[in-house]
Amino acid sequence: ILNVEQSPQSLHVQEGDSTNFTCSFPSSNFYALHWYRWETAKSPEALFVMTLNGDEKKKGRISATLNTKEGYSYLYIKGSQPEDSATYLCAFSSGGFKTIFGAGTRLFVKA
Amino acid sequence: EAGVTQFPSHSVIEKGQTVTLRCDPISGHDNLYWYRRVMGKEIKFLLHFVKESKQDESGMPNNRFLAERTGGTYSTLKVQPAELEDSGVYFCASSPSPGEETDTQYFGPGTRLTVL
Repeated sequence: ILNVEQSPQSLHVQEGDSTNFTCSFPSSNFYALHWYRWETAKSPEALFVMTLNGDEKKKGRISATLNTKEGYSYLYIKGSQPEDSATYLCAFSSGGFKTIFGAGTRLFVKA
Repeated sequence: EAGVTQFPSHSVIEKGQTVTLRCDPISGHDNLYWYRRVMGKEIKFLLHFVKESKQDESGMPNNRFLAERTGGTYSTLKVQPAELEDSGVYFCASSPSPGEETDTQYFGPGTRLTVL
């Protein structure tokens, strides 16, 4: 059974804090790891797709790293803003197009 | 460019009734996926089309669910007869290239289904 775990389940930070959360996935049969940002009542928005061990991607204040050998990815947000409040989902592809999602980390940024 | 659209946005039906959800992918996207999120749980894969062909329907819960993509454009997901546990948000996503599993999937806004 393929399982994707995300931690923490939720996180409350103050505006200006930097934060990070984790996605753990099976280290065998790895194909790609996706990060999505999901605001309430909207559709998940793609942030990054990473395929290579050691990949680092950056988009503004958000960045992500990937370790396929040990099966984890970190998402970092530098200087959190209230508009960063959302659920951050990671999704793992092992080949065959099937994508398995984690339960998400719910981020609350207080002004 | 229009994104993925889904219809209806909300549907409330009684147990035993039939509901059909529709997804229009981004024009030109060959891959189309259906997902479901039951209250409080993670998004779960249901199935994947490449054009009009089902590539993987291993996530379909049971034979009350039928997905079609005639002509390789829009897709429908029919639930017949609906049960209480079918309640949730049904998402559709699309991605462009048939051979690229690393393609970003673009999600629609979802259809919230409530079965009473």
